[in-house]
This record gives sequence, C-alpha cells and structure tokens, in this order.
Amino acid sequence: DQQVKQNSPSLSVQEGRISILNCDYTNSMFDYFLWYKKYPAEGPTFLISISSIKDKNEDGRFTVFLNKSAKHLSLHIVPSQPGDSAVYFCAASRTTSGTYKYIFGTGTRLKVLA
Amino acid sequence: DTGVSQNPRHKITKRGQNVTFRCDPISEHNRLYWYRQTLGQGPEFLTYFQNEAQLEKSRLLSDRFSAERPKGSFSTLEIQRTEQGDSAMYLCASSFLQGAETEAFFGQGTRLTVV
Repeated sequence: DQQVKQNSPSLSVQEGRISILNCDYTNSMFDYFLWYKKYPAEGPTFLISISSIKDKNEDGRFTVFLNKSAKHLSLHIVPSQPGDSAVYFCAASRTTSGTYKYIFGTGTRLKVLA
Repeated sequence: DTGVSQNPRHKITKRGQNVTFRCDPISEHNRLYWYRQTLGQGPEFLTYFQNEAQLEKSRLLSDRFSAERPKGSFSTLEIQRTEQGDSAMYLCASSFLQGAETEAFFGQGTRLTVV
C-alpha cells in the first residue's frame, strides 16, 4: 500500500526553466509534508516543508504547494540549475501520531540540462 | 557539529554473519530514526527513539534486527544472521522536538551488501 506516490520517475528540464515535481498521497491524516533531495551515495538532504494548515511555502528558489482536497503537493524550482540534478523524494507525516515518522514516495530523478 | 554521522559507510558481509551499524545524531537532537532504502525505492521507516526510549518499530523490523540508543546519544542497529534480502542502504536521521513539526536530518548512510 503506497500511501505516498511520485508517479514520474524522471524529469528533464532546461537550465533556467521551471522544474515541477509532483506527489500524491492517500492518507488524509497526513498533516506535515517535506521534500528531500538525494545525490548518489549520500543521505537525503532536507529542502523544504509545509504544514497542512498552509497551502504554500517558499524558500528561495524552492516553493511547495499543497492541495489538501486533491491530496496533492508539488515542488517548484525556479530557475532550475544543473546542480539541482538529483533524486527528489516527497515525504508525509502524521504529527498527531507522536512519532513523526516519514512515509516517503519512490522519488523523481531530475536532470537539469545546461 | 558536522551533522548526523554513520559508520561504517560500507559493509560487505557473508550470509549468516551478524553486523552492527552506528549512528551519531546531531548533539542536541532528542529524536533518532532508522530507515532502510533499496534500489528504486524511497526510504522505509524501521524504528524510532525519543531520547533512550524506543517508541515504535516497523513490522519490517524482524526479530533479527535490534536497535539501541543507550543514554539517549548514539544508536546502534544490529542485524543477526544476515540474509541477502538485507542488502540495502541503512539511513539514520535525527530531529529536535520543538512544537508539532520538525524536519529530520539524515546521515550519509551505511550500505550493506550480503554475499
């Protein structure tokens, strides 16, 4: 039962353009969402998060949008840079459960072309 | 503080042997998590500590797996009688309890290969 889904395994974008990575979830009890970036042979690096009481959070070039009714979130990267090439994971959590464990999607590999 | 540290980075072991991994979290973090990641998948939750108390274990964590966090500082994950299916990247993460939401910071992982 995949509660967090990233349906696009890969995405290629030209440098300077917008990258949009999508994530869907099925559990309406999730109330905290995060995006992580992962380079090969390294652990995931935290990028940005959003609480379910918000619909948008922005940090520099990164913006996360949350659509609770659609159970959908997206990560926008503007402008995209070659160094952004990595695998991006979305994760969801039920903070009311007390453990704050994350349920991860399967990842989207982003390639930014110079 | 250099972040979450995991040792060793790589481990190759023969099937049936026991292995132990260590995680040193960010010093002021009171929460520690272990995850496992296999090829093409996202990290999967294994277990969680708040200070020294192990508060949750995934059903993925068979009785061959045991984790400890003595004194609420570093943690160890031991796998007994390793099987080829245990080959994966084992990730440790830590976070600090402050309010309802907090992001976790991951270490670089220990890649286990069982031959």
